[in-house]
Amino acid sequence: DAKTTQPPSMDCAEGRAANLPCNHSTISGNEYVYWYRQIHSQGPQYIIHGLKNNETNEMASLIITEDRKSSTLILPHATLRDTAVYYCIVRVLGGATSYDKVIFGPGTSLSVIP
Amino acid sequence: NAGVTQTPKFRILKIGQSMTLQCTQDMNHNYMYWYRQDPGMGLKLIYYSVGAGITDKGEVPNGYNVSRSTTEDFPLRLELAAPSQTSVYFCASSEGETQYFGPGTRLLVL
Repeated sequence: DAKTTQPPSMDCAEGRAANLPCNHSTISGNEYVYWYRQIHSQGPQYIIHGLKNNETNEMASLIITEDRKSSTLILPHATLRDTAVYYCIVRVLGGATSYDKVIFGPGTSLSVIP
Repeated sequence: NAGVTQTPKFRILKIGQSMTLQCTQDMNHNYMYWYRQDPGMGLKLIYYSVGAGITDKGEVPNGYNVSRSTTEDFPLRLELAAPSQTSVYFCASSEGETQYFGPGTRLLVL
């Protein structure tokens, strides 16, 4: 079972910031928060990940609360091409005896509106 | 790099037929995965592999088999196709932080 909960759908006006929330109240200390997105009919695409600190890259920003029980993905200036399903995932990175398994929940369907 | 490639893109099977979904990656990743995605749902892990010669079951392995004879290839086999296996199948690979997904194979079992 997915270890995260997300709203099933959200709307965002084009050019505005899209803030996608995710709850992961049972996250373990060694689990990272990952975000992927899936544009219709395509394979999922990696966006960003983090452990404790806030992270930013060319696609998005990730804000993780201090207790790590929730996070928010921020798309600073949403465009129509950002319309997709966004998945929040928690996972442990592979080690000597562990494996790099990702379990996807149903995600949040983001619609960017002109 | 081509990344992760999958063939075929689309296939229609009759009940009871068998087929192999091909997956190849050229990034020299040790980890490879097969997921299925039903309409409106998230991805469910079918099988995964941590390296050549090593495979293990995921959440929904029944009705499928895999093999990993090389680092590059991770084929998924359906022996007796059933309507419940109608889905979109995604292959992925990773080495550490990020999974890279293929474009998917749409399978319709009638």
